[in-house]
Amino acid sequence: QVQLVQSGAEVKKPGASVKVSCKASGYTFSSYYMHWVRQAPGQGFEWMGTINPSDGSTSYAQKFLDRVTMTGDTSTSTVYMELISLRSEDTGVFYCARGSYSGSHTPQDYWGQGTLVTVSS
Amino acid sequence: EIVLTQSPGTLSLSPGERATLSCRASQSVSSIYLAWYQQKPGQAPRLLIYGASSRATGIPDRFSGGGSGTDFTLTISRLEPEDFSVYYCQQFGSSPYTFGQGTKLEIK
Repeated sequence: QVQLVQSGAEVKKPGASVKVSCKASGYTFSSYYMHWVRQAPGQGFEWMGTINPSDGSTSYAQKFLDRVTMTGDTSTSTVYMELISLRSEDTGVFYCARGSYSGSHTPQDYWGQGTLVTVSS
Repeated sequence: EIVLTQSPGTLSLSPGERATLSCRASQSVSSIYLAWYQQKPGQAPRLLIYGASSRATGIPDRFSGGGSGTDFTLTISRLEPEDFSVYYCQQFGSSPYTFGQGTKLEIK
């Protein structure tokens, strides 16, 4: 069965960076885009961007363009999301989520369990 | 950026009743790029509906979606106790993909 397992919770100081991992299993890793979505405490969702694991190409939301980097490792079926220059407003749960069919314009059918990132001095 | 506005913010109903949730877009969205998700406390979202009206794998047929252009709806025909949670619409046709702010479905 499809599973996305994310790395554990992180606590960071303002100005630091965080790198969250998402290990996929149960399907052909390179065949589906992976998306990253943030949920601030008690709030809705923000789509951050997506990566095509087959060639590493990415598309980022304008809001995160200068601070986020998404990468993938086909040998371990893992994608990574790094966010730099953290500020308190970045506190939230970060989810990886698989695109449900080929291409980037797809809904997300499987989600990781989420990684809580807390930014606090 | 396409803004999705969901209404009502909170919907109070009883089990067995019918629920109708609305999602309005700030500009036209192709139906193939509209999805609905359910989120329960402490859990990741679950895909319910994609392409505005197609149920995702394993979703009961009491869930249905419809609409086009700027107005979309999610209908739950007969509420079960496990349906009381928060529902979000999402458009994924135009970057950045955006979500509505959510409708909380609570037990009356």
